[in-house]
Amino acid sequence: RKEVEQDPGPFNVPEGATVAFNCTYSNSASQSFFWYRQDCRKEPKLLMSVYSSGNEDGRFTAQLNRASQYISLLIRDSKLSDSATYLCVVNTNAGKSTFGDGTTLTVKP
Amino acid sequence: GAVVSQHPSRVICKSGTSVKIECRSLDFQATTMFWYRQFPKQSLMLMATSNEGSKATYEQGVEKDKFLINHASLTLSTLTVTSAHPEDSSFYICSAETGGTRDTQYFGPGTRLTVL
Repeated sequence: RKEVEQDPGPFNVPEGATVAFNCTYSNSASQSFFWYRQDCRKEPKLLMSVYSSGNEDGRFTAQLNRASQYISLLIRDSKLSDSATYLCVVNTNAGKSTFGDGTTLTVKP
Repeated sequence: GAVVSQHPSRVICKSGTSVKIECRSLDFQATTMFWYRQFPKQSLMLMATSNEGSKATYEQGVEKDKFLINHASLTLSTLTVTSAHPEDSSFYICSAETGGTRDTQYFGPGTRLTVL
């Protein structure tokens, strides 16, 4: 079983749709959590950190469920420019980062 | 925000040559940098963790004598692919950690290596 698992998708949604991604992690000692987005042939870019209380940044909402060991990313009112691969990243307190394989989103007009 | 640069952005070389890739944190000091490799349509694979002033820690299956890492200062880490072969062709990406409690990683723009 992988340490960090994501549904690879692809998710194909129309503009304006709401889409949610989940990511599960196996290491209960994990301390910090992030969502990155990666465009084709580019480097990953930090989208948002994920806090225990949940956090929102515009159309993006991230949530953490420590009991069930998963994090989620919700995108509302999808735009064409949201098309990318979304990577879940989990850090342990030993400083080790583990990346999920990514979930591919395509937003269509 | 934290900016990480990588140079060169693209390299095309003949089989057997060595290629050096630089990773710099431009506006912060990074005690830890990471080197990843990504093949087309695959996920990022961590190759090694580079710590300033000490030897790099390599992931299982990554040959330390083939992928030489030097972390000479708090803002610079280099990866040298020695005697590169076509199977080493890949997208190499570095990241630097800002430290603190959340240890956010910021990525360089990547180096696309093509070995002929």
